[in-house]
Amino acid sequence: NAGVTQTPKFRILKIGQSMTLQCTQDMNHNYMYWYRQDPGMGLKLIYYSVGAGITDKGEVPNGYNVSRSTTEDFPLRLELAAPSQTSVYFCASSSRGEGDTEAFFGQGTRLTVV
Amino acid sequence: GNSVTQMEGPVTLSEEAFLTINCTYTATGYPSLFWYVQYPGEGLQLLLKATKADDKGSNKGFEATYRKETTSFHLEKGSVQVSDSAVYFCALSDTHKLSFGAGTTVTVRA
Repeated sequence: NAGVTQTPKFRILKIGQSMTLQCTQDMNHNYMYWYRQDPGMGLKLIYYSVGAGITDKGEVPNGYNVSRSTTEDFPLRLELAAPSQTSVYFCASSSRGEGDTEAFFGQGTRLTVV
Repeated sequence: GNSVTQMEGPVTLSEEAFLTINCTYTATGYPSLFWYVQYPGEGLQLLLKATKADDKGSNKGFEATYRKETTSFHLEKGSVQVSDSAVYFCALSDTHKLSFGAGTTVTVRA
């Protein structure tokens, strides 16, 4: 099984550029998440989705947008890249079985904004 | 809201030493609790979990017990190996969202 697949793995952006981080899962999970991980810090939730067509903000949504048109895909959009968005981004998915919610993570996207 | 507090690292140990990483949580309701591990250059993967009070999760020699009375879920391993060097995250799941602790970096030296 592929699990959660993120692309690209690495990217360098110039200030003001835009890009979309792709995330796809093949486990038919309803819940999907985007996190950022800064050096020496834990994971901060950017956006999450509880199903196709439904998204909601996490702790640090500013500067990002998401959409969830299908169960499988949950892309993260950066419209005007800023140096503060230099980070490692992780996508995750989970199912909601009786509160036993293991999250499956992608390999991450390392983004540098210069 | 929900939150998770982990002991700060980094932690450096010798091989075969005992490892404890403290984790406490604040939550409404009855969350599930998890330990995730991140090896260098990789994403997070589930290490163990517990879904109700007094449950003990275990995997790869690691253990953690869900203590509702002290709102804790401390991670322990009796004898660490170099291959256990990683960042360990405590997390809880309640309603829609996962909440992670800041992570504890563990380095095991031969």
